[in-house]
Amino acid sequence: KAGVTQTPRYLIKTRGQQVTLSCSPISGHRSVSWYQQTPGQGLQFLFEYFSETQRNKGNFPGRFSGRQFSNSRSEMNVSTLELGDSALYLCASSPDREEQYFGPGTRLTVT
Amino acid sequence: AQKVTQAQTEISVVEKEDVTLDCVYETRDTTYYLFWYKQPPSGELVFLIRRNSFDEQNEISGRYSWNFQKSTSSFNFTITASQVVDSAVYFCALSSVAAGNKLTFGGGTRVLVKP
Repeated sequence: KAGVTQTPRYLIKTRGQQVTLSCSPISGHRSVSWYQQTPGQGLQFLFEYFSETQRNKGNFPGRFSGRQFSNSRSEMNVSTLELGDSALYLCASSPDREEQYFGPGTRLTVT
Repeated sequence: AQKVTQAQTEISVVEKEDVTLDCVYETRDTTYYLFWYKQPPSGELVFLIRRNSFDEQNEISGRYSWNFQKSTSSFNFTITASQVVDSAVYFCALSSVAAGNKLTFGGGTRVLVKP
């Protein structure tokens, strides 16, 4: 089976812009979770989608949003980018509540 | 609230030495899951193991072994006869039934294996 894929792998944006990141889960997996990784805060949970519904949400401002499509692919959007949003964004998929398998991540740099 | 603590930020060893990574967790939930992930320089988190709170049996898988002790809230990980390819950041993580699929990660331990 193919693993979790994330696009794009690298992104450079300017403060104030918005960005959309994409994640394709492992075939058959219905749960997709997003995490932000920064040197200062470590790995933090953003949100989880299951069957097109947000099932869980972390403590991030409303500028961070996501959605999931009927084929389980998920997108994450960050509006009005700030310098502090520079991070590695990791997507993980699982069948439901089992172990999560991570993608290679999208490295976002905000200048 | 859930919390995972990895007190060791960096460990440096010479190839073939054993390495033990410490992990201490906090949770009020009675049903929970513990994980170890490896993050090589490429950035992708690689799943290594999952244990549930009702299974304290320790496990060995090749050069990897895990020691789960509920009495001390610890879930330690040992690499036996380390190799240069083991160099990576290792994360301990916790989830619970109450928290759904949300993983709470420790700060990670960077392991550097020198030839």
